[in-house]
Amino acid sequence: GDSVTQKEGLVTLTEGLPVMLNCTYQTIYSNAFLFWYVHYLNESPRLLLKSSTDNKRTEHQGFHATLHKSSSSFHLQKSSAQLSDSALYYCALSDRGTNTGKLTFGDGTVLTVKP
Amino acid sequence: EAAVTQSPRNKVAVTGGKVTLSCNQTNNHNNMYWYRQDTGHGLRLIHYSYGAGSTEKGDIPDGYKASRPSQENFSLILELATPSQTSVYFCASGGGLGGLYAEQFFGPGTRLTVL
Repeated sequence: GDSVTQKEGLVTLTEGLPVMLNCTYQTIYSNAFLFWYVHYLNESPRLLLKSSTDNKRTEHQGFHATLHKSSSSFHLQKSSAQLSDSALYYCALSDRGTNTGKLTFGDGTVLTVKP
Repeated sequence: EAAVTQSPRNKVAVTGGKVTLSCNQTNNHNNMYWYRQDTGHGLRLIHYSYGAGSTEKGDIPDGYKASRPSQENFSLILELATPSQTSVYFCASGGGLGGLYAEQFFGPGTRLTVL
């Protein structure tokens, strides 16, 4: 079945440094639909950005990601980390095959930004 | 106005007791989902539903039942709670479409502790 791997469980950065959170996926389908969700403390998880177009950069709220089907990757990046970016980030893959609307989530990466 | 609400927000239960977690959505979405969130495991799907009267097993359904009495309401039931079910539970709703339309909208979560 589908799977999503986020190899870093915890990333700690100093404010102002660039952010890169890794996401790789496996699916039997040639079309892949990838999402990044962000979960701030004491809030609900919510969609940050999504993409299905190969090699096209998607941006939202200062973050960006590019889907690379050749390497099955969808890494989340930001040029300069802010204290307010501290949160839990999930990469997710849509269930393309059965249209159930199901998402397969990675284990998540906790991003902590320090002054 | 929050579109997905959960009750209770916090619950302490005893081992062997029955626990019911409730979820209500005003998005008029067909699909609803129950996840548990544990450190190192991300969001794992317990049960989901395509509409009133339907429930489907997710990836980790053992020890849980679900009920969807109406479009708006989706409950998660622990008939015999165990300490291993101590976790944070999230409900989500979605339009049920696949691909890039698979966005899900999450509730605020319920923190369950089983003693």
